[in-house]
Amino acid sequence: EADIYQTPRYLVIGTGKKITLECSQTMGHDKMYWYQQDPGMELHLIHYSYGVNSTEKGDLSSESTVSRIRTEHFPLTLESARPSHTSQYLCASSESGSHNQPQHFGDGTRLSIL
Amino acid sequence: AQSVTQPDIHITVSEGASLELRCNYSYGATPYLFWYVQSPGQGLQLLLKYFSGDTLVQGIKGFEAEFKRSQSSFNLRKPSVHWSDAAEYFCAVNTGNQFYFGTGTSLTVIP
Repeated sequence: EADIYQTPRYLVIGTGKKITLECSQTMGHDKMYWYQQDPGMELHLIHYSYGVNSTEKGDLSSESTVSRIRTEHFPLTLESARPSHTSQYLCASSESGSHNQPQHFGDGTRLSIL
Repeated sequence: AQSVTQPDIHITVSEGASLELRCNYSYGATPYLFWYVQSPGQGLQLLLKYFSGDTLVQGIKGFEAEFKRSQSSFNLRKPSVHWSDAAEYFCAVNTGNQFYFGTGTSLTVIP
């Protein structure tokens, strides 16, 4: 089993609050990703990182930010939450190198903004 | 553009029956293909992957998938479905720069 952890699992919070979703992995993977998942939709990549101090935005426009100060930690921050941010957020990691390396996923954070 | 299509949004099968979930991809180069399963409240778990060699790959939980380049397909199969297989299934392609996921197929298993 992959060792990638997301906290909190569930969060219900009011509009305008600052939120940080945590993601940590113990596998030493260089690559880490954040996806947004809504029912009936494909996973949308919102941020990714190929190593420490490296972060990029994905295909889906997002008002969130990420940081990668340590290899194992890749937190996602929403400075001011809005109802449109209500979704499930999945964190993943993978090894560098060949394209055949799969992504390993955390159990997700289900976020509800009131 | 790269993409993954899962034409079946929802499939219902009886326990013990065979299963095939369809996946078609669009990618010009050699694809690196994956199937994942997601149970409610959980993340995606890797079932199997294909990147070269034998076009029939075996995965966990008794699943297998067959890569057909001529049809740009990578269909997932299982000979006999168990009630615990009820979940959402995602096909994905890795282009080297990014993973692209399909919209998923929801599987219901009836007794």
